[in-house]
Amino acid sequence: EPEVTQTPSHQVTQMGQEVILRCVPISNHLYFYWYRQILGQKVEFLVSFYNNEISEKSEIFDDQFSVERPDGSNFTLKIRSTKLEDSAMYFCASSSGAGKTQYFGPGTRLLVL
Amino acid sequence: DAKTTQPPSMDCAEGRAANLPCNHSTISGNEYVYWYRQIHSQGPQYIIHGLKNNETNEMASLIITEDRKSSTLILPHATLRDTAVYYCIVRVAPGNTPLVFGKGTRLSVIA
Repeated sequence: EPEVTQTPSHQVTQMGQEVILRCVPISNHLYFYWYRQILGQKVEFLVSFYNNEISEKSEIFDDQFSVERPDGSNFTLKIRSTKLEDSAMYFCASSSGAGKTQYFGPGTRLLVL
Repeated sequence: DAKTTQPPSMDCAEGRAANLPCNHSTISGNEYVYWYRQIHSQGPQYIIHGLKNNETNEMASLIITEDRKSSTLILPHATLRDTAVYYCIVRVAPGNTPLVFGKGTRLSVIA
């Protein structure tokens, strides 16, 4: 069964450093998403992406964040200058169409020291 | 904010049916009810969704009331591996809308 994969599974970084989180969506999917979950809190939407541009973004997704689909298979989330409060699980999701079911990856646990 | 209300926690004996309720009294006609679960800190796992008819798949059944203001997710024979947080989410479709997660119901399956 096709799955969304994410790398790395864990990332530790120093405050102020740039991090790139990588996702490989399900192969025939066209819509991509990033969510995050701070420890003990709800899963929160960050951004959705379709046709090489951002469809929607939340208030969390400020200028420190960017997304990219650098090739036909990867979808990345970049945090330019990490802050302590960026420590969270980051989940990538994909769907085959607008309004279709979103399938999530296993997540990347980001720890900012 | 999430448009659904769920009990914070429930217990279920292993092998018995787990019935997880969800209230979505302000649901609109074009909104679907989705259920996901999250085991420990893993990624949310899709379970089932429906608009107004009852739905069943290999994982669960979804019963939606006739007025669509509430629904119940049924795991027919709960196992210890079904211990997770279960999220009921209302979502407009079609349209590329994000999922809005609430706090969900923490289901504990007990041996």
